Amino acid sequence: AQKITQTQPGMFVQEKEAVTLDCTYDTSDPSYGLFWYKQPSSGEMIFLIYQGSYDQQNATEGRYSLNFQKARKSANLVISASQLGDSAMYFCAMREGPFSGGYNKLIFGAGTRLAVHP
Amino acid sequence: DVKVTQSSRYLVKRTGEKVFLECVQDMDHENMFWYRQDPGLGLRLIYFSYDVKMKEKGDIPEGYSVSREKKERFSLILESASTNQTSMYLCASRLGQLQTQHFGDGTRLSIL
Repeated sequence: AQKITQTQPGMFVQEKEAVTLDCTYDTSDPSYGLFWYKQPSSGEMIFLIYQGSYDQQNATEGRYSLNFQKARKSANLVISASQLGDSAMYFCAMREGPFSGGYNKLIFGAGTRLAVHP
Repeated sequence: DVKVTQSSRYLVKRTGEKVFLECVQDMDHENMFWYRQDPGLGLRLIYFSYDVKMKEKGDIPEGYSVSREKKERFSLILESASTNQTSMYLCASRLGQLQTQHFGDGTRLSIL
């Protein structure tokens, strides 16, 4: 069963506007973590932001924020004031807790390709 | 800053060859991972290692093996390369089970 779902294969946004990238997840483990990574065309995976399942507040890192809705099992990434350099592939990932097996592996979604237009 | 280095950015090999992909990290991380990335499928875990000489199968281990003789180095081995192993391969490491994974730049492998 797919545990991380990114329903948007591609997104377009105008420079300086905000954009939301969707991510839903599925787990029965009460303890888990959610990550967003950015992958530019050069290929490296860049860690952006992390949200723990017990964190009370939504995570923020500069222009990135994570809209965490636990009851809906969603962890959408919000990028404010988009820049041309934000054009990349974005991956949502979940680290399950100890009740889902050992070693706290990451499970990735299929990714969303974001294009920022001038 | 954490540095995860993959030995090649681009690699072209022939069907049936034995292929080695090398990954080195410089932060004394316990855990290391090998993923392959294919369009529409995201990253899928091939193998991981939680300590020296220890390894665990991921979701798609068939056709691959790994070696971790030293803490800083994790090698992915394609015993007999096939065209369906043409892909982007990403190595990652992390300090411990609850820590963030840090990735290398990836190796684009083509099997002809």
